[in-house]
Parts: sequence; structure tokens; C-alpha cells
Amino acid sequence: EAQVTQNPRYLITVTGKKLTVTCSQNMNHEYMSWYRQDPGLGLRQIYYSMNVEVTDKGDVPEGYKVSRKEKRNFPLILESPSPNQTSLYFCASRDSNYVGQYFGPGTRLTVT
Amino acid sequence: ILNVEQSPQSLHVQEGDSTNFTCSFPSSNFYALHWYRWETAKSPEALFVMTLNGDEKKKGRISATLNTKEGYSYLYIKGSQPEDSATYLCALLRRSQGNLIFGKGTKLSVKP
Repeated sequence: EAQVTQNPRYLITVTGKKLTVTCSQNMNHEYMSWYRQDPGLGLRQIYYSMNVEVTDKGDVPEGYKVSRKEKRNFPLILESPSPNQTSLYFCASRDSNYVGQYFGPGTRLTVT
Repeated sequence: ILNVEQSPQSLHVQEGDSTNFTCSFPSSNFYALHWYRWETAKSPEALFVMTLNGDEKKKGRISATLNTKEGYSYLYIKGSQPEDSATYLCALLRRSQGNLIFGKGTKLSVKP
């Protein structure tokens, strides 16, 4: 089954404690992306990657890091989380034919 | 800053009503426009990807049109049903950029 998986689905953590949210897709898609969703602000892109070892900043990259060492994986790293990073995070992937983006199930992160 | 605007923000209709929403975007460097349906507690799912001026796409009772010269797309739902209740997102893909720019969505509620 074609899918994008994210882990964990829910996470409560404390300020400053480094964390990683994993994202994996099984469709051999070149393009992967991370978004955060906040009430009233819609989906905002954090980082995206057009292929292995190619990443670029989206609209709200501050406080986040990503890497793309393999085509299937695109982890999101919060080196020192802060409460303003409390949000719902989505990973997504698509292929180069622009047939629509597949979204993961979301990760709800709370930073206290 | 590149803005993709959607209107209205929310819409309440009765079962059986037909409805439509608008997505407005800058027409320069247009490559593709995506529409997504996002149900509460789920992930966004792709409805349509439109690339050509004058494009019309249809999926069941939902259809969309595209005008790239004036920078807008309409999404129509014929005979709304309660299961159509969701947030409908549009997203712009521009030439030479790999990232989708999302609007904030139109939240549709259909009352039985």
C-alpha cells in the first residue's frame, strides 16, 4: 500500500530536549516536504527536498533541521524545541509528475 | 510574499445545496494548481492537479476549473452531502520552484 508514515504520532516534550520526527514513504517519490498546521494560519511549509541530498527552506524553517540521505526518508529535527513549536506536523511526498501530494498521518507535538 | 487566497473562509450549507469556492493566486510563473480535501482528524487528500488554462476536472459531484491568465480556480460541489464536510485547500506550484504554496482553506459544513 502506497503510504507516508510518520513517527511518533503524538509527543509531549520539554523545552530544549532535542527530538526527531521520522518520515518515510514507499512510493519512490523524489519530492518530500514538512509542514506545520496552526489554527488560523493554515499549512505552512518548513522545509522541502527535491531529491537525495537536496533540501531547501520553506516559509518557516527557523528552529528546524532536515536531512535527506536516502530517498525514502526525510526526518525533521528540532535541536532545541520551544513552546512556539507546539503544533501539528505533516510530512508529504509526491513524484515529479505532479499527480498530487501524499500526506502522512500527522504528528501532534506539544512542547512545555 | 507570495499569497494564495481562498474564499470564503467558511461556508455552511444545507444538504442538497450546490456550492463553490474560489482560489486566487499570482498568475506569473504558473506551473500547476492543486486542490485537496481535508477532513477533521485526517490528512489532506489530493482531489485535482490542474496545469492548463481552461482546465476542467471532475470527480463525482466535485469539479474544478482553472484560469491561469487571471489567476483563479473554482471548486464546485453539486448537491452537497454531509460527508462533503471538510476543509478544501488549494495550493500553487510555480515554475522553477519545488514547493507548493497553500491557501488557508475553505471550511465547508453541510447540515443534514
